[in-house]
Amino acid sequence: EIVLTQSPGTLSLSPGERATLSCRASQSVSSSFLAWYQQSPGQPPRLLLYGTSTRATGIPDRFSGRGSGTDFTLTINRLEPEDSAFYYCQQYDTSPFTFGQGTKLEI
Amino acid sequence: EVQLVESGGGLVQPGGSLTLSCAASGFTFRDSAIHWVRQSSGKGLEWVGRIRTRHSSYATVYAVSLKGRFTISRDDSKNTAYLQMNSLKTEDTAVYYCTRRGGDYSGMDVWGQGTTVIVSS
Repeated sequence: EIVLTQSPGTLSLSPGERATLSCRASQSVSSSFLAWYQQSPGQPPRLLLYGTSTRATGIPDRFSGRGSGTDFTLTINRLEPEDSAFYYCQQYDTSPFTFGQGTKLEI
Repeated sequence: EVQLVESGGGLVQPGGSLTLSCAASGFTFRDSAIHWVRQSSGKGLEWVGRIRTRHSSYATVYAVSLKGRFTISRDDSKNTAYLQMNSLKTEDTAVYYCTRRGGDYSGMDVWGQGTTVIVSS
């Protein structure tokens, strides 16, 4: 099973700043099968990025992703208060399709 | 509107069984793989399992931790997927989401609102 480790656990930033969230895999993951999700309290997750860097429908270009192999990054530019949420990475390359433990972003 | 709606959650005793349903609308259900994901209170997301399409022989795969207690099925004529849960444990208490994989390279692009399962005596 591929274990995804996200860091930091919590990130506290101010509006307008840039957030950088990390997702490290225990073994190589195809960049075609790495996704990021945003989850606000009481809501289901929302797909942000898939294939490491492709934004899902309706996701603003402030959200970007990069990475390969075992190291992936989600970057959120020009933070807005509504970006406060939990962020999860997921690999859907090799079953079981595991999630990282999440990063809490506080704005 | 593209939508997934879960139902069937509730209170069940340890060792009991429960079947959750996931009703789809607004898209061609038979062409989409369906996944189940759960989330315990205050915890992160845990992938439960997936069922593929008829084209892929309805292949299923599950989280290792479930050890064969859960079974995913689907009825394309009813646009509905199911999660049958047996030998339930208190640690299975969670919100259960069904979600659609959006395409060959896409992530999970449509999620239901979730249904709550509480395993307690």
